[in-house]
Amino acid sequence: EPEVTQTPSHQVTQMGQEVILRCVPISNHLYFYWYRQILGQKVEFLVSFYNNEISEKSEIFDDQFSVERPDGSNFTLKIRSTKLEDSAMYFCASSQRDRAGSPHDNEQFFGPGTRLTVL
Amino acid sequence: AQTVTQSQPEMSVQEAETVTLSCTYDTSESDYYLFWYKQPPSRQMILVIRQEAYKQQNATENRFSVNFQKAAKSFSLKISDSQLGDAAMYFCAYRSARTGNQFYFGTGTSLTVIP
Repeated sequence: EPEVTQTPSHQVTQMGQEVILRCVPISNHLYFYWYRQILGQKVEFLVSFYNNEISEKSEIFDDQFSVERPDGSNFTLKIRSTKLEDSAMYFCASSQRDRAGSPHDNEQFFGPGTRLTVL
Repeated sequence: AQTVTQSQPEMSVQEAETVTLSCTYDTSESDYYLFWYKQPPSRQMILVIRQEAYKQQNATENRFSVNFQKAAKSFSLKISDSQLGDAAMYFCAYRSARTGNQFYFGTGTSLTVIP
């Protein structure tokens, strides 16, 4: 069964450094998402992406974050200048359709996550 | 904004017994979806069960069933005949059917299955 994959599984970085988290969505999916979970807190929505554009973003997704689909298979989240509070688990997800699709088509499939540790 | 609350950070159940995980949510919308996701250790979240708010009948998937109380904004998950493989973190989630694609998650319930 196709799965969303994410690399690396764990990334350690120094505060102020740039990091790129990578995701490979399911191949026939058109909608892509990033979520994060700070330890002990809720999984929070960051951004959704469709047709090479951001379609929605949360207030967490400020100017230090960016997303890109550079080559038709990868979907990346870049954090320009990491802060200590960016330490979290970052989940990528993909879906065939958006909310307008049938419940089966708009189901979001999640990757295993990348644990980002900022020192 | 929608909020989802899971008041049980940890639960345990004896193998073959039944356990119920609680979830409440807050919304002003009438049309939405509710989900339970399971996340085994070091693995991705997978969908366990989905409920459309317009459906009065509670969703069921094999040993998993929900008790959806729309007026009370409650959405609990019942796991019957618990198995060792059910041990995982369980997340309750809300998604609007009208606005936005994002999920709103609870903080999760860690379920331990005791052999």
